[in-house]
Amino acid sequence: GAVVSQHPSRVICKSGTSVKIECRSLDFQATTMFWYRQFPKKSLMLMATSNEGSKATYEQGVEKDKFLINHASLTLSTLTVTSAHPEDSSFYICSAYHAGRSTDTQYFGPGTRLTVL
Amino acid sequence: AQTVTQSQPEMSVQEAETVTLSCTYDTSENNYYLFWYKQPPSRQMILVIRQEAYKQQNATENRFSVNFQKAAKSFSLKISDSQLGDTAMYFCAFMRPNFGNEKLTFGTGTRLTIIP
Repeated sequence: GAVVSQHPSRVICKSGTSVKIECRSLDFQATTMFWYRQFPKKSLMLMATSNEGSKATYEQGVEKDKFLINHASLTLSTLTVTSAHPEDSSFYICSAYHAGRSTDTQYFGPGTRLTVL
Repeated sequence: AQTVTQSQPEMSVQEAETVTLSCTYDTSENNYYLFWYKQPPSRQMILVIRQEAYKQQNATENRFSVNFQKAAKSFSLKISDSQLGDTAMYFCAFMRPNFGNEKLTFGTGTRLTIIP
């Protein structure tokens, strides 16, 4: 149980284009999902908290107009990197919060490697 | 704000040996959760073990166990009978209950290599 999928696993795009990444909780409902960015050999950096049916909460320094987040259902959150540039190249990971007695845990998707040419 | 410190950037151990990864944290909260996540070369973050702060009993999951010292704010992970598949980055993480907005605070990670 507690499986989170993420699609695509890898994407290469041209500078100036937009890229959408999907995060799905497959066997549980998640009112809250999180989006992280990870640089090589570094820890995860929280970008934003996504709540179903409401606007996302962005961490300080994260451009909300560049990284659009939509959490339209209890099992799906999307991250759209708009007008991507080479500096946006990174590994993006989502997680879904599984609430409940003896669970209360974030489960992670497999990540998306974004390369902007 | 909470902080999580992992003081061992890298460790290596022979296969079948036991290894302990250290983690300390700082918080003024009394109720919280602690986790160890594993990130192998595939980069998939995998939950290894979870500890609830109000439980005195140390959590165990097969070969993985923790030594949770609440007063000392210490949360170390012991891996027994280490296997090659245990080679990965290990992240210690802190989470406090927050009505559905439970953020994780991560340590900087420990890169563990199991030597055949």
